[in-house]
Amino acid sequence: DIQMTQSPSSLSASVGDRVTITCRASQNIVSYLNWYQQKPGEAPKFLIYAASSLQSGVPPRFSGSESETDFTLTISSLQPEDFATYYCQQSYSAPYTFGQGTKIEI
Amino acid sequence: QVQLVQSGTEVKKPGASVKVSCKASGYIFTRYGITWVRQAPGQGLEWMGWIRIYNGNTEYAQKFQGRFSMTADTSTNTAYVEVRSLRSDDTAVYFCARAESNYAYLDYWGQGTLVSVSS
Repeated sequence: DIQMTQSPSSLSASVGDRVTITCRASQNIVSYLNWYQQKPGEAPKFLIYAASSLQSGVPPRFSGSESETDFTLTISSLQPEDFATYYCQQSYSAPYTFGQGTKIEI
Repeated sequence: QVQLVQSGTEVKKPGASVKVSCKASGYIFTRYGITWVRQAPGQGLEWMGWIRIYNGNTEYAQKFQGRFSMTADTSTNTAYVEVRSLRSDDTAVYFCARAESNYAYLDYWGQGTLVSVSS
């Protein structure tokens, strides 16, 4: 199975901060990398697919990038509604594993 | 609009079975897959497996082979996951999500169903 390792597991930030979360795949997954946001008590929300393609309706302050097996989610200017847990997921080879999550806290 | 509506909370005893439903609307059911994701209390997301609706083929993560079955009824646009021989560590929220055909990303999610297993 492909392992997805996210870092950090949590971070403290303030409104207006630029935040970066990294996800590393244990093998080449080409660009089959997706990002989700989850708030407590809610279902995850789909943000980005194919490493850098923004889902319709997602604010442009969210962006994704890749460098070989390393993938990055960046929030350019953190907003109050962005405090949540973020997960990466590879959809290159089943099982389509998730990272362990990164919680953004105040 | 696309919607996935799941069945309600289940409370079961160890050894029992449970079947969670996920009713889809707002799109052509057979053109996408349905993925099931489990989230234990306070834990992250676990990809359990998925079903390709158009042909009923399933694929499971190894951990979810044996006691878990994913099915779909195209006449009612409803997907199901059944868990047999429930254990306390099956206590979790179970989510269904629509899986896109090419990249398999999960673009729409159900609200989640809590399955609680306790004696």
